[in-house]
Amino acid sequence: DTAVSQTPKYLVTQMGNDKSIKCEQNLGHDTMYWYKQDSKKFLKIMFSYNNKELIINETVPNRFSPKSPDKAHLNLHINSLELGDSAVYFCASSQDTMNTGELFFGEGSRLTVL
Amino acid sequence: AQKITQTQPGMFVQEKEAVTLDCTYDTSDQSYGLFWYKQPSSGEMIFLIYQGSYDEQNATEGRYSLNFQKARKSANLVISASQLGDSAMYFCAMRGLGSNYKLTFGKGTLLTVNP
Repeated sequence: DTAVSQTPKYLVTQMGNDKSIKCEQNLGHDTMYWYKQDSKKFLKIMFSYNNKELIINETVPNRFSPKSPDKAHLNLHINSLELGDSAVYFCASSQDTMNTGELFFGEGSRLTVL
Repeated sequence: AQKITQTQPGMFVQEKEAVTLDCTYDTSDQSYGLFWYKQPSSGEMIFLIYQGSYDEQNATEGRYSLNFQKARKSANLVISASQLGDSAMYFCAMRGLGSNYKLTFGKGTLLTVNP
């Protein structure tokens, strides 16, 4: 069983469209994250949820809206896609919000905006 | 704010030799965690090793060890007996109160192991 699973793995779409990426973890973790990895491989956090509550919201355009229906799921919806949104989006989870636990990452979702 | 610096964009090593990947960090936190992740060309993020700021001994996991020098704020990854499968991108990262415990990454080092 995959610990952190994301769908879809690949997403190609036109500018201006709306798309969603889903994430589920079966590790029983309380905290989930969305990270964006750009073309230079730089990983930057976008959002973090703990027990369905938003705890980190970095400087991300309002077009990005995370939703956590329960602590095992964290979805990412993107409105009005732009060329600059092309990236790999990683979902991750951790046991807690403290500094001791590693993050478990999904396989990533590669978004290409044309 | 927390910052991770990896000054080596790329490194080369011969198979079976050891290699050190550099990482320095900056934080005002007293307690923090340091991590290394591996990202092969297939794209997944693989956790390698963790070091707590209060751990007195350097962390080791198989062929991976973390050379932690707190006064110098460095957390270098040492890979012993390199294998071809070690060729990948390596990221240093940290978590701490000052960043609301988010995992902050360095820019990564691309390691190539030559046969």
